[in-house]
Amino acid sequence: QLVLTQSPSASASLGASVKLTCTLSSGHSSYAIAWHQQQPEKGPRYLMKLNSDGSHIKGDGIPDRFSGSSSGAERYLTISSLQSDDEADYYCQTWDTGIVIFGGGTKLTVL
Amino acid sequence: EVQLVESGGGLVQPGGSLKLSCAASGFTFSDSAIHWVRQASGEGLEWVGRIRSKGNNYATAYAASVKGRFTVSRDDSKNTAYLQMNSLKTEDTAVYYCTRGSNTPTDYWGQGTLVTVSS
Repeated sequence: QLVLTQSPSASASLGASVKLTCTLSSGHSSYAIAWHQQQPEKGPRYLMKLNSDGSHIKGDGIPDRFSGSSSGAERYLTISSLQSDDEADYYCQTWDTGIVIFGGGTKLTVL
Repeated sequence: EVQLVESGGGLVQPGGSLKLSCAASGFTFSDSAIHWVRQASGEGLEWVGRIRSKGNNYATAYAASVKGRFTVSRDDSKNTAYLQMNSLKTEDTAVYYCTRGSNTPTDYWGQGTLVTVSS
């Protein structure tokens, strides 16, 4: 069964970097994912598509501070030079024929 | 500029029906899949369903939680997609987003429309 697992919460200091993790279920380590950001009281925003080889394609206007990487079944979102408006929920997403799956989301707190 | 604008949300009683619309602009609508995603208050994102393009036979797919009750359709002449929701349950209460499917199922999001199912 295709499942994405995310830690419920993460925190990092203003100006620092943070690496969020999304883990694909067993047998699905070759799958691409997408990362989305949802700031408080706003709709989600697409950040990037991240492939199993670590290559990624960012959405329109997404700053260079956001990057993605992969290792095995793990997919990462790294945010550098953290700003206050990076405080948000971050969701990973994947898909297969006839189905789309979201992870439970990680709530990022910027200290 | 890609834009997706949902409308049609509101208050409906359990067992009732509602039809949401998603008006698109800024891209070739007829070539794109459209997905619907919902989010209950304080909860995460849940995929609802999608319709593919004419070139992909307008193929539809649905989450198990809505299959048989919800129907996704589209009118390419109006650049609009629809989500027909029947036999609504209180657990269908959520903000509903439409999204464009391109290299991923959701590379652009609408602003969402709130559906409340309550007596």
